[in-house]
Amino acid sequence: NAGVMQNPRHLVRRRGQEARLRCSPMKGHSHVYWYRQLPEEGLKFMVYLQKENIIDESGMPKERFSAEFPKEGPSILRIQQVVRGDSAAYFCASPSGGGGRESYNEQFFGPGTRLTVL
Amino acid sequence: QKEVEQDPGPLSVPEGAIVSLNCTYSNSAFQYFMWYRQYSRKGPELLMYTYSSGNKEDGRFTAQVDKSSKYISLFIRDSQPSDSATYLCAMKLGMGAQKLVFGQGTRLTINP
Repeated sequence: NAGVMQNPRHLVRRRGQEARLRCSPMKGHSHVYWYRQLPEEGLKFMVYLQKENIIDESGMPKERFSAEFPKEGPSILRIQQVVRGDSAAYFCASPSGGGGRESYNEQFFGPGTRLTVL
Repeated sequence: QKEVEQDPGPLSVPEGAIVSLNCTYSNSAFQYFMWYRQYSRKGPELLMYTYSSGNKEDGRFTAQVDKSSKYISLFIRDSQPSDSATYLCAMKLGMGAQKLVFGQGTRLTINP
């Protein structure tokens, strides 16, 4: 919660619609992780991006989900044709990254976007 | 088998008690270990971060890592009602920017 911003905080979509979730990392940072938290479960890694590059997408569902982090603006997690099973809290995280690789060990989370699919 | 196992609780203790929260893991390659606190409908907040085996203390919180047993613990001394939250353990393989693997989380309630 140390400077990571997410919006919207709550998002309601009907089945078949698209959901767009936005994340701005800590100021001056170019690394973003997206995680999903299903009800009563821990967080599951989805994707790791740096500006204009996807570094690790091993946790992304193969269909309907995509992520980007353009040169300008926030990172976007996009879910097409949402289904009820997509209802969850989506969090993004950013390292503090004050200097050196050691500073990338810690990840600080945003407040999350709670997606409800009707 | 999950990579990281954590008893979901719920765990309920009286105010002032010492709380012990634990996680086990299966991948011996994990080197960095974290504990996060998450209040209801909020984002996770980083509490403690340790590297490899050993203890780390920060105020009322102590984190322990036993890599030989693949077991990590978080102890909370003099527990307060404000400590009531879900506690998530997390770990990663190496230094630098890498994904975290989380346990399920333990829901803790401290009763006044």
